Amino acid sequence: AQSVTQLDSHVSVSEGTPVLLRCNYSSSYSPSLFWYVQHPNKGLQLLLKYTSAATLVKGINGFEAEFKKSETSFHLTKPSAHMSDAAEYFCVVTSSGGSYIPTFGRGTSLIVHP
Amino acid sequence: GAVVSQHPSWVICKSGTSVKIECRSLDFQATTMFWYRQFPKQSLMLMATSNEGSKATYEQGVEKDKFLINHASLTLSTLTVTSAHPEDSSFYICSARNRYEAFFGQGTRLTVV
Repeated sequence: AQSVTQLDSHVSVSEGTPVLLRCNYSSSYSPSLFWYVQHPNKGLQLLLKYTSAATLVKGINGFEAEFKKSETSFHLTKPSAHMSDAAEYFCVVTSSGGSYIPTFGRGTSLIVHP
Repeated sequence: GAVVSQHPSWVICKSGTSVKIECRSLDFQATTMFWYRQFPKQSLMLMATSNEGSKATYEQGVEKDKFLINHASLTLSTLTVTSAHPEDSSFYICSARNRYEAFFGQGTRLTVV
């Protein structure tokens, strides 16, 4: 079985300040982990993914995430928020134990203040 | 990454009619496809898993007779919402999987009036 928990339903930051979106996972097998962003009334865009290679993963638009097995975490960070980063962010896990079915977290809404 | 094309991107239909949504993997063969539904301001909920050449596996609470899924080839799966009602209005997203990763379509916004 597999699951993913996004600890915050909303995160509010000021433009230019760091962003931290938290994600913890549970999986009986080696997981693959993904972060997707969804802007209002739009589809999903892949930000980055971890698939058992380097634990620090760099994605698009300055985002990165670090896979920490000991903490079962895959938190998403960005050094400096931009107004265009305001969106919904989803952490997703797949694994052989879950038949590679993508399981979504509940989502975190990122709010960026000017 | 691989490309998954979902069509249409939005559709408006009258109550009682049926709507078909297509999901195609453009540059890889997908033995397995997934269909998700997203309610406003909520996460994506898995509706069903579709395997090529066999019947779809529906999640608990999803009406198989209302949401017909066909996966006739390795690159195409369809979701048909039959006898649509306003409560079926939602955002539907498909996903196609290769061995290690799933790729998502851009979604279909269905509005039933």
